[in-house]
Amino acid sequence: GNSVTQMEGPVTLSEEAFLTINCTYTATGYPSLFWYVQYPGEGLQLLLKATKADDKGSNKGFEATYRKETTSFHLEKGSVQVSDSAVYFCAGRGSARQLTFGSGTQLTVLP
Amino acid sequence: NAGVTQTPKFRVLKTGQSMTLLCAQDMNHEYMYWYRQDPGMGLRLIHYSVGEGTTAKGEVPDGYNVSRLKKQNFLLGLESAAPSQTSVYFCASSYGLAGGPRQETQYFGPGTRLLVL
Repeated sequence: GNSVTQMEGPVTLSEEAFLTINCTYTATGYPSLFWYVQYPGEGLQLLLKATKADDKGSNKGFEATYRKETTSFHLEKGSVQVSDSAVYFCAGRGSARQLTFGSGTQLTVLP
Repeated sequence: NAGVTQTPKFRVLKTGQSMTLLCAQDMNHEYMYWYRQDPGMGLRLIHYSVGEGTTAKGEVPDGYNVSRLKKQNFLLGLESAAPSQTSVYFCASSYGLAGGPRQETQYFGPGTRLLVL
């Protein structure tokens, strides 16, 4: 079946550091891929998405490119802020209308 | 717009008790979902609905039942709670097929924390 493998955390960075969180997706075909973010005490929010191979999703300084060959969708940000501290989930659209989520990566950014 | 709301926010149950979690959305979305979130496991789909009066099983449906009597509401029931159902439950909704590309984005509620003793 479909699966999402996400870099395990937690990840701790200093403010203005570069961020990469790895994500790969195994599925039949090339499904849409997503990054969701969960701030403390809140539900998940869509951060960015890519609906086909070679697409780049971007939002709030975060970027991720859908690499067809490896079905990877690594999340990057050039300069993180304290306010970026959250849990980040990679997800792929599986069969029908379902999303398959990775296990989440806790990011803490220190001032 | 309130978006997706969930009640209650927190609940403690004893083993064997029953309860219903309510999810409501005011975005006129066709699809609704119930997930559970457990440490180190991400979100797992319990049940989902593609329209009023329809429901379907997700990845981990055992021990739960759902109903979608009104388009805006999606109820999750636990008939006989077990400690293994201690978790954080999230409801989500999305556009249906008529939404085109928008159908793929899910909007989440703030969650219900459930503790079963």
